[in-house]
Amino acid sequence: AQKVTQAQTEISVVEKEDVTLDCVYETRDTTYYLFWYKQPPSGELVFLIRRNSFDEQNEISGRYSWNFQKSTSSFNFTITASQVVDSAVYFCALSEAKTSYDKVIFGPGTSLSVIP
Amino acid sequence: DSGVTQTPKHLITATGQRVTLRCSPRSGDLSVYWYQQSLDQGLQFLIQYYNGEERAKGNILERFSAQQFPDLHSELNLSSLELGDSALYFCASSSLGGRTEAFFGQGTRLTVV
Repeated sequence: AQKVTQAQTEISVVEKEDVTLDCVYETRDTTYYLFWYKQPPSGELVFLIRRNSFDEQNEISGRYSWNFQKSTSSFNFTITASQVVDSAVYFCALSEAKTSYDKVIFGPGTSLSVIP
Repeated sequence: DSGVTQTPKHLITATGQRVTLRCSPRSGDLSVYWYQQSLDQGLQFLIQYYNGEERAKGNILERFSAQQFPDLHSELNLSSLELGDSALYFCASSSLGGRTEAFFGQGTRLTVV
């Protein structure tokens, strides 16, 4: 069954530090999609990135970067030079071909606090 | 603004009652998801519809039901409410189910007293 683990429940960093949020997923499918979402204190969920299982290329978007490694079933998210506005709960999510990608399962989330 | 509209934003009701949460997806999106977010349980997948058809079900209680109408809006019905049903209920929509990113509404905060 599909499963997403985010072992870090809460992380605190000082502004300008780099921080990596871990995501480990489980699936028996060879075809699947992975996502990251951000939930700031205001409560809305905001999409950050999507990656399919055939694309292991790492991605960088400004201060954000993602490291996808199929060999370890991980899809980690790094924020470089963190800012207070990065304080939020971050969720990793997975959909798999077995369920026709209709079931998108979220991890428990990692709460990031960036201290000024 | 994600383009997904959920109403109402807040709902306070008594145990045993029934409520209906409404969701209008982003224009053009055929897929609608419902999630429950409790303080201690993260985002729990409830159910997903695609173009009016139920496609996937999570651990949705039998007291809960949903549907997607021909105009693609969706409703989540919660009945025989219990204190433990108090949570934030999110609706999300996407164009191609879980192949594409989902856009979330602002959620409905349900408080059962």
